[in-house]
Amino acid sequence: ILNVEQSPQSLHVQEGDSTNFTCSFPSSNFYALHWYRWETAKSPEALFVMTLNGDEKKKGRISATLNTKEGYSYLYIKGSQPEDSATYLCAFVNTGGFKTIFGAGTRLFVKA
Amino acid sequence: DTGVSQDPRHKITKRGQNVTFRCDPISEHNRLYWYRQTLGQGPEFLTYFQNEAQLEKSRLLSDRFSAERPKGSFSTLEIQRTEQGDSAMYLCASSPSGTGEQETQYFGPGTRLLVL
Repeated sequence: ILNVEQSPQSLHVQEGDSTNFTCSFPSSNFYALHWYRWETAKSPEALFVMTLNGDEKKKGRISATLNTKEGYSYLYIKGSQPEDSATYLCAFVNTGGFKTIFGAGTRLFVKA
Repeated sequence: DTGVSQDPRHKITKRGQNVTFRCDPISEHNRLYWYRQTLGQGPEFLTYFQNEAQLEKSRLLSDRFSAERPKGSFSTLEIQRTEQGDSAMYLCASSPSGTGEQETQYFGPGTRLLVL
Protein backbone atom coordinates (compact mmCIF):
# COMPACT_ATOMS: atom_id res chain seq x y z
CA ILE A 1 0.00 0.00 0.00
CA LEU A 2 1.46 3.35 -1.03
CA ASN A 3 1.07 5.90 1.74
CA VAL A 4 1.86 9.60 1.65
CA GLU A 5 1.77 11.46 4.95
CA GLN A 6 1.83 15.21 5.46
CA SER A 7 2.42 17.09 8.68
CA PRO A 8 1.21 19.14 10.32
CA GLN A 9 -2.42 18.76 9.35
CA SER A 10 -2.95 22.50 9.85
CA LEU A 11 -0.85 25.48 10.81
CA HIS A 12 -1.69 28.99 12.01
CA VAL A 13 1.05 31.61 11.65
CA GLN A 14 1.36 35.37 11.78
CA GLU A 15 2.17 37.45 8.73
CA GLY A 16 5.93 37.59 8.32
CA ASP A 17 6.59 34.23 9.98
CA SER A 18 8.54 31.62 8.07
CA THR A 19 7.16 28.11 8.12
CA ASN A 20 7.73 24.62 6.77
CA PHE A 21 5.78 21.43 6.21
CA THR A 22 6.78 17.81 5.75
CA CYS A 23 5.75 15.21 3.21
CA SER A 24 6.72 11.56 3.80
CA PHE A 25 6.50 8.98 1.04
CA PRO A 26 7.75 5.47 0.22
CA SER A 27 11.51 5.45 -0.33
CA SER A 28 11.37 2.62 -2.87
CA ASN A 29 10.35 2.83 -6.52
CA PHE A 30 10.48 6.62 -6.48
CA TYR A 31 9.76 8.45 -9.74
CA ALA A 32 8.65 11.99 -8.82
CA LEU A 33 7.27 14.13 -6.02
CA HIS A 34 4.87 16.98 -6.79
CA TRP A 35 3.84 19.92 -4.60
CA TYR A 36 0.55 21.72 -5.20
CA ARG A 37 -1.13 24.72 -3.67
CA TRP A 38 -4.92 24.60 -3.37
CA GLU A 39 -6.87 27.69 -2.47
CA THR A 40 -10.51 27.42 -1.48
CA ALA A 41 -12.89 27.50 -4.47
CA LYS A 42 -10.00 27.22 -6.92
CA SER A 43 -8.19 24.36 -8.69
CA PRO A 44 -4.97 22.88 -7.29
CA GLU A 45 -2.01 24.78 -8.74
CA ALA A 46 1.34 23.10 -9.35
CA LEU A 47 4.30 24.49 -7.41
CA PHE A 48 7.12 22.02 -8.03
CA VAL A 49 7.91 18.69 -9.67
CA MET A 50 10.95 17.10 -8.04
CA THR A 51 12.71 14.05 -9.38
CA LEU A 52 16.32 13.93 -8.15
CA ASN A 53 17.55 13.11 -4.66
CA GLY A 54 18.95 16.27 -3.10
CA ASP A 55 16.93 18.50 -5.43
CA GLU A 56 16.10 21.98 -4.18
CA LYS A 57 13.60 24.16 -6.01
CA LYS A 58 12.51 27.73 -5.41
CA LYS A 59 9.67 29.94 -6.61
CA GLY A 60 9.65 33.37 -5.00
CA ARG A 61 9.30 32.93 -1.24
CA ILE A 62 8.51 29.23 -1.53
CA SER A 63 11.14 26.52 -1.75
CA ALA A 64 11.27 22.74 -1.46
CA THR A 65 13.84 20.04 -0.83
CA LEU A 66 13.79 16.34 -1.63
CA ASN A 67 15.36 13.29 0.02
CA THR A 68 14.39 10.17 -1.89
CA LYS A 69 16.61 7.81 0.13
CA GLU A 70 14.76 8.49 3.36
CA GLY A 71 11.46 9.37 1.72
CA TYR A 72 10.70 12.95 2.68
CA SER A 73 10.33 16.42 1.21
CA TYR A 74 10.10 19.77 2.96
CA LEU A 75 8.23 22.84 1.71
CA TYR A 76 9.37 26.17 3.11
CA ILE A 77 7.59 29.53 2.99
CA LYS A 78 9.65 32.55 3.93
CA GLY A 79 7.88 35.62 5.33
CA SER A 80 4.33 34.24 5.09
CA GLN A 81 1.66 36.55 3.69
CA PRO A 82 -2.14 36.26 4.08
CA GLU A 83 -2.38 35.31 0.40
CA ASP A 84 -0.29 32.21 1.17
CA SER A 85 -3.27 30.83 3.09
CA ALA A 86 -4.17 27.61 1.29
CA THR A 87 -3.86 23.83 1.48
CA TYR A 88 -0.46 22.54 0.40
CA LEU A 89 -0.56 19.06 -1.12
CA CYS A 90 2.27 16.73 -1.98
CA ALA A 91 1.87 13.84 -4.41
CA PHE A 92 4.08 10.80 -4.98
CA VAL A 93 4.48 9.04 -8.30
CA ASN A 94 6.19 5.65 -8.36
CA THR A 95 8.12 4.00 -11.17
CA GLY A 96 6.30 1.73 -13.54
CA GLY A 97 2.97 3.47 -13.23
CA PHE A 98 1.13 6.70 -13.58
CA LYS A 99 -0.76 6.51 -10.35
CA THR A 100 -0.35 9.73 -8.37
CA ILE A 101 -0.83 9.35 -4.61
CA PHE A 102 -1.68 12.54 -2.77
CA GLY A 103 -1.23 13.29 0.91
CA ALA A 104 -4.11 14.80 2.87
CA GLY A 105 -2.46 18.21 2.77
CA THR A 106 -1.32 20.85 5.24
CA ARG A 107 -3.82 23.66 5.73
CA LEU A 108 -1.99 26.97 6.26
CA PHE A 109 -3.69 29.99 7.78
CA VAL A 110 -1.71 33.25 7.74
CA LYS A 111 -3.10 36.00 9.94
CA ALA A 112 -2.44 39.64 9.05
CA ASP B 1 -9.77 30.10 -21.51
CA THR B 2 -7.26 27.37 -22.37
CA GLY B 3 -7.28 25.59 -19.02
CA VAL B 4 -8.91 22.30 -18.03
CA SER B 5 -12.69 22.57 -17.91
CA GLN B 6 -15.23 20.33 -16.25
CA ASP B 7 -18.97 20.12 -16.62
CA PRO B 8 -21.18 20.31 -14.67
CA ARG B 9 -19.65 22.17 -11.74
CA HIS B 10 -22.31 20.89 -9.35
CA LYS B 11 -24.64 17.90 -9.49
CA ILE B 12 -27.34 16.83 -7.04
CA THR B 13 -28.90 13.45 -7.65
CA LYS B 14 -30.96 10.85 -5.88
CA ARG B 15 -29.49 7.56 -4.75
CA GLY B 16 -29.71 4.97 -7.50
CA GLN B 17 -29.52 7.40 -10.39
CA ASN B 18 -26.71 7.44 -12.96
CA VAL B 19 -24.56 10.53 -13.45
CA THR B 20 -21.98 11.48 -16.08
CA PHE B 21 -19.30 14.13 -15.82
CA ARG B 22 -17.23 15.61 -18.61
CA CYS B 23 -13.64 16.83 -18.65
CA ASP B 24 -12.02 18.84 -21.44
CA PRO B 25 -8.23 18.82 -20.98
CA ILE B 26 -5.75 21.37 -22.28
CA SER B 27 -5.73 20.71 -26.01
CA GLU B 28 -2.14 19.56 -26.50
CA HIS B 29 -2.10 17.35 -23.38
CA ASN B 30 -2.31 13.63 -24.07
CA ARG B 31 -2.43 12.49 -20.42
CA LEU B 32 -5.66 12.74 -18.46
CA TYR B 33 -6.38 11.83 -14.84
CA TRP B 34 -9.54 11.53 -12.75
CA TYR B 35 -9.50 11.96 -8.98
CA ARG B 36 -12.06 11.99 -6.19
CA GLN B 37 -11.67 14.27 -3.18
CA THR B 38 -13.62 14.17 0.07
CA LEU B 39 -13.50 16.62 2.96
CA GLY B 40 -10.20 16.64 4.80
CA GLN B 41 -8.48 14.34 2.33
CA GLY B 42 -6.21 14.85 -0.65
CA PRO B 43 -7.32 13.89 -4.15
CA GLU B 44 -7.67 10.11 -4.51
CA PHE B 45 -6.53 8.63 -7.83
CA LEU B 46 -9.28 6.98 -9.86
CA THR B 47 -7.95 6.44 -13.37
CA TYR B 48 -5.45 7.58 -16.01
CA PHE B 49 -5.53 7.86 -19.81
CA GLN B 50 -2.69 8.21 -22.28
CA ASN B 51 -4.49 9.47 -25.38
CA GLU B 52 -7.54 7.20 -25.69
CA ALA B 53 -6.02 4.27 -23.78
CA GLN B 54 -7.02 3.78 -20.14
CA LEU B 55 -3.68 2.62 -18.73
CA GLU B 56 -4.41 2.51 -15.03
CA LYS B 57 -7.49 2.18 -12.89
CA SER B 58 -7.64 2.24 -9.12
CA ARG B 59 -8.72 -0.99 -7.43
CA LEU B 60 -10.80 1.24 -5.20
CA LEU B 61 -13.00 1.95 -8.20
CA SER B 62 -16.01 -0.29 -8.14
CA ASP B 63 -17.61 -1.58 -11.33
CA ARG B 64 -20.23 1.15 -10.97
CA PHE B 65 -17.59 3.62 -12.18
CA SER B 66 -16.49 3.82 -15.79
CA ALA B 67 -14.42 6.34 -17.68
CA GLU B 68 -13.87 6.86 -21.38
CA ARG B 69 -11.76 9.04 -23.61
CA PRO B 70 -12.93 7.92 -27.03
CA LYS B 71 -10.95 10.25 -29.30
CA GLY B 72 -8.12 11.04 -26.97
CA SER B 73 -9.49 14.50 -26.27
CA PHE B 74 -12.34 14.98 -23.78
CA SER B 75 -13.17 12.34 -21.19
CA THR B 76 -16.32 11.26 -19.39
CA LEU B 77 -16.70 9.66 -15.98
CA GLU B 78 -19.96 7.80 -15.35
CA ILE B 79 -21.21 6.57 -12.01
CA GLN B 80 -24.06 4.09 -12.17
CA ARG B 81 -26.56 3.46 -9.35
CA THR B 82 -25.12 6.25 -7.24
CA GLU B 83 -24.77 5.78 -3.48
CA GLN B 84 -24.53 8.41 -0.75
CA GLY B 85 -20.86 7.48 -0.31
CA ASP B 86 -20.18 8.70 -3.85
CA SER B 87 -20.76 12.29 -2.70
CA ALA B 88 -17.43 14.04 -3.30
CA MET B 89 -15.55 16.47 -5.53
CA TYR B 90 -14.49 14.81 -8.79
CA LEU B 91 -11.36 16.41 -10.22
CA CYS B 92 -9.86 16.04 -13.66
CA ALA B 93 -6.27 16.91 -14.54
CA SER B 94 -4.21 16.79 -17.70
CA SER B 95 -0.51 16.88 -18.52
CA PRO B 96 1.68 16.65 -21.60
CA SER B 97 3.98 13.69 -22.25
CA GLY B 98 7.51 14.11 -21.06
CA THR B 99 9.51 13.94 -17.90
CA GLY B 100 10.14 16.12 -14.90
CA GLU B 101 8.51 19.55 -15.09
CA GLN B 102 6.65 18.47 -18.21
CA GLU B 103 4.65 16.05 -16.09
CA THR B 104 3.03 18.83 -14.10
CA GLN B 105 -0.67 18.12 -13.85
CA TYR B 106 -3.10 20.97 -14.52
CA PHE B 107 -6.37 20.62 -12.68
CA GLY B 108 -9.89 21.59 -13.61
CA PRO B 109 -12.31 23.26 -11.19
CA GLY B 110 -13.96 19.95 -10.30
CA THR B 111 -17.52 18.65 -10.26
CA ARG B 112 -19.11 18.54 -6.83
CA LEU B 113 -21.54 15.62 -6.54
CA LEU B 114 -24.17 15.30 -3.82
CA VAL B 115 -26.15 12.08 -3.65
CA LEU B 116 -29.32 12.35 -1.59
